[in-house]
Order: sequence, then C-alpha cells, then structure tokens
Amino acid sequence: DIVMTQTPLSSPVALGQPASISCRSSQSLVHSDGNTYLSWLHQRPGQPPRLLIYKISERFSGVPDRLSGSGAGTSFTLKISRVEAEDVGVYYCMQATRYPFTFGGGTKVEIK
Amino acid sequence: QAQMVESGGGVVQPGGSLRLSCAASGFSFSDYGIHWVRQAPGKGLEWVAFIPSDGAYENLADFVKGRFTISRDNSKSTLYLQMNSLRVADTALYYCARVKSGAFDLWGQGTMVTVSS
Repeated sequence: DIVMTQTPLSSPVALGQPASISCRSSQSLVHSDGNTYLSWLHQRPGQPPRLLIYKISERFSGVPDRLSGSGAGTSFTLKISRVEAEDVGVYYCMQATRYPFTFGGGTKVEIK
Repeated sequence: QAQMVESGGGVVQPGGSLRLSCAASGFSFSDYGIHWVRQAPGKGLEWVAFIPSDGAYENLADFVKGRFTISRDNSKSTLYLQMNSLRVADTALYYCARVKSGAFDLWGQGTMVTVSS
C-alpha cells in the first residue's frame, strides 16, 4: 500500500499569515495514464470532508485562489497564502493513483 | 443541487450485519463511480470500497474483503454497502463519495456504525 505522510501534525497560524502543509508518498503517484492523482481535502469539525485541490494543483470549484497545490512524484505541498478563520480544520492529502486509495494522517490548522 | 445521503447505520453486536445505503440526487448517478470511506471516532479517513458507474466490479480494502459487498441500483440512484461479520474495529462514520478526475468531489454527511457488545 502507498503510505501518505503529512507534516506538520498541527499548524497554529495567525490570521493573514501563510500556512504550508507537506505530503509525501512512499511511491511515485504518477499513474500509467500520465496523471498524478493527488488531492487535498478539508474537514471542519462535524462536517464531511470537502475537496480543495485535485491532480496536484487543480483548484476545485469555489475554492479561493489563496489555496494552491504543488509538487510532483512523491512530494506535494498545499499552501494557504493568507489564513482566514474559515480555513481552520483538518487537511488531508489523498492518493487515487493505486488501490487501495490512501490518505495522509491529517494536519490540523488552527488560529494562533 | 447534487447531494448524497447515507442511511442504515446503527448499533450492532460483533458478528452482526448492517446494510448501508447512499441515495443520490441532483446529478446523473449512473455516470459516476462511487466510493465508501470511513472515519473512526477522532481518527483519519480510510478508504473502504469502490464500484464503477456500471457496477461491473468492486474494489474492496483488504480489511473488509470477504465481509463487505458494495453494490448499486442505478434505477434508484442508490449505492449500498452490505456489511457482514462486523467487528469492533469497523466502528466508524461511513461516507459515500463520488469520484471525478481521480478525486472525491462530492461527499455525503455520513452514517454512524457502532459495533459493540
């Protein structure tokens, strides 16, 4: 199975400041079709996850451009350029390149 | 708008069975593959199962193979998860999630399954 490792586990950030989350996979996430199926999800307490970024850097509908994804191969990053109150919660990376699909352990973003 | 609503969760004893449902609306259900994902209380996300749009096959996580079955009825826009031989470790909130471009773009609110004696 592909292991997804996220760092940090927790990220206290002041409002208006940037935040960055790293996600590393134990194997390359490049699919045989040439795509890299790495996505980022955000989950607020008591809510289901919601999609933010797919295929490394494609922003999902309605996601503000303060959020951006980057990376390649086995190393990926989610960046929030200016943290707002609505950004609190847990962020997960997920790979859908190879079954079983796997998730990172999550990074909790909170306001400092 | 597009949505999926899970149901069928509850409290069951170890060794028991449950059938979860995921009713979709607001989109063409038969055009999409759908997954089940679970989340144990206070824990992260764990992929459980997948069925393609035509229901031609299923992909199951190793820890549910031989115990769970995923199926769908496109005429009813509904996905199912038949769970047999339930274990305490299966206790979790179960979500159905639609897949598009290799990502889970639409999630239900989840249904809670508690396995306890």
